[in-house]
Amino acid sequence: QLQLQESGPGLVKSSETLSLTCTVSGGSISSSSYYWGWIRQPPGKGLEWIGSIYYSGATYYNPSLKSRVTISVDTSKNQFSLKLSSVTAADTAIYYCARLYTFASYDYWGQGTVVTVSS
Amino acid sequence: QSALTQPASVSGSPGQSITLSCTGTSSDVGGYNFVSWYQQHPGKAPKLMIYDVSTRPSGVSNRFSGSKSGNTASLTISGLQPEDEADYYCSSYTTSSTVVFGGGTKLTVL
Repeated sequence: QLQLQESGPGLVKSSETLSLTCTVSGGSISSSSYYWGWIRQPPGKGLEWIGSIYYSGATYYNPSLKSRVTISVDTSKNQFSLKLSSVTAADTAIYYCARLYTFASYDYWGQGTVVTVSS
Repeated sequence: QSALTQPASVSGSPGQSITLSCTGTSSDVGGYNFVSWYQQHPGKAPKLMIYDVSTRPSGVSNRFSGSKSGNTASLTISGLQPEDEADYYCSSYTTSSTVVFGGGTKLTVL
């Protein structure tokens, strides 16, 4: 059974860079034709797509976040990562990693990790 | 990209059927058959309920069905049950090769 687990600091200072890692277990991140993605959910609000990456490194980003986002993959560790620079309070959210099953469907999700941006 | 439009809340009684809507544009919902629906209970990660407009993943009840007409996709839940009370989100592929979510609908089972 495929499992995804987010990890990283739960508190980030304003203007700094948020860094999270998603560890995939129960399957290889590079052995199948899937993209892997990050989605976030501010407190009490809806889901926002951040971006996706293929094991080869090909990426797609939300245009509204593109200037601040970098998603990378480490196939040797079966992990992919998110970096979001110049964070503000508006970046406070639950951050989820997930597997992109088809073009817009995420079938396996991590449990989510809460990131708070403090001033 | 703009979020897809979903009603903020919908309610129904046990046993009833309800339909949730998700409206986009010809650049997303109307342009592709790549619309998905997610169910999210409080404090939990979203769960995929429908993908590619109308396909149910293995293990999802056949009380859930999806459809699309033009720029609007719909999720129908028949035989409403108390455990169906949750937030529901739609998502769509876009012409920019990105994914866009709807704002979500809170379903209350009266």
